[in-house]
Amino acid sequence: GAGVSQSPRYKVTKRGQDVALRCDPISGHVSLYWYRQALGQGPEFLTYFNYEAQQDKSGLPNDRFSAERPEGSISTLTIQRTEQRDSAMYRCASSSRENQPQHFGDGTRLSIL
Amino acid sequence: GESVGLHLPTLSVQEGDNSIINCAYSNSASDYFIWYKQESGKGPQFIIDIRSNMDKRQGQRVTVLLNKTVKHLSLQIAATQPGDSAVYFCAENIDKLIFGTGTRLQVFP
Repeated sequence: GAGVSQSPRYKVTKRGQDVALRCDPISGHVSLYWYRQALGQGPEFLTYFNYEAQQDKSGLPNDRFSAERPEGSISTLTIQRTEQRDSAMYRCASSSRENQPQHFGDGTRLSIL
Repeated sequence: GESVGLHLPTLSVQEGDNSIINCAYSNSASDYFIWYKQESGKGPQFIIDIRSNMDKRQGQRVTVLLNKTVKHLSLQIAATQPGDSAVYFCAENIDKLIFGTGTRLQVFP
């Protein structure tokens, strides 16, 4: 489809493992955003990119979280040494450029056992 | 599937009535606002946006009103339909999007 695509849809892993979540933005979109959403709440900003440059990572909870977008298209959010508190829905969004409507994917539901 | 908004403020309306969903934002420097609709198991879906140099913007069956004096945003849905049932979020842009507390809209036949 033409929308934002995230994979996997669901990820279950044991505490201490590393996980990588993938986001494929809408073709041609310059800006790509990562959010985390808890049940009953709106998405909470983690980090964003313009092209391949990470512009703001102030929302990343700690240094176990990192993100990259090496070719300015697909992005990966990596969580190292996962903990149970990392369990959440992780969402990606993209926009044609900054300050334009962000379009969201259906997310990756991460469960840490 | 995922259940969004288990304990959110809820607005219940009858099919065909108009709905008004309100949102208070926090930062007077915000220059861009967006309304999103989120159905269970799905990501937020863009509905309509408005820039701070406007106070009203209309789309198809939806109108957004912005009152910068009191930092208030509202979403009006005309002739509400069962398919409008969802959780609605407003978001303000201050370098990044900050989402408000959602409102669950329930439409009864």
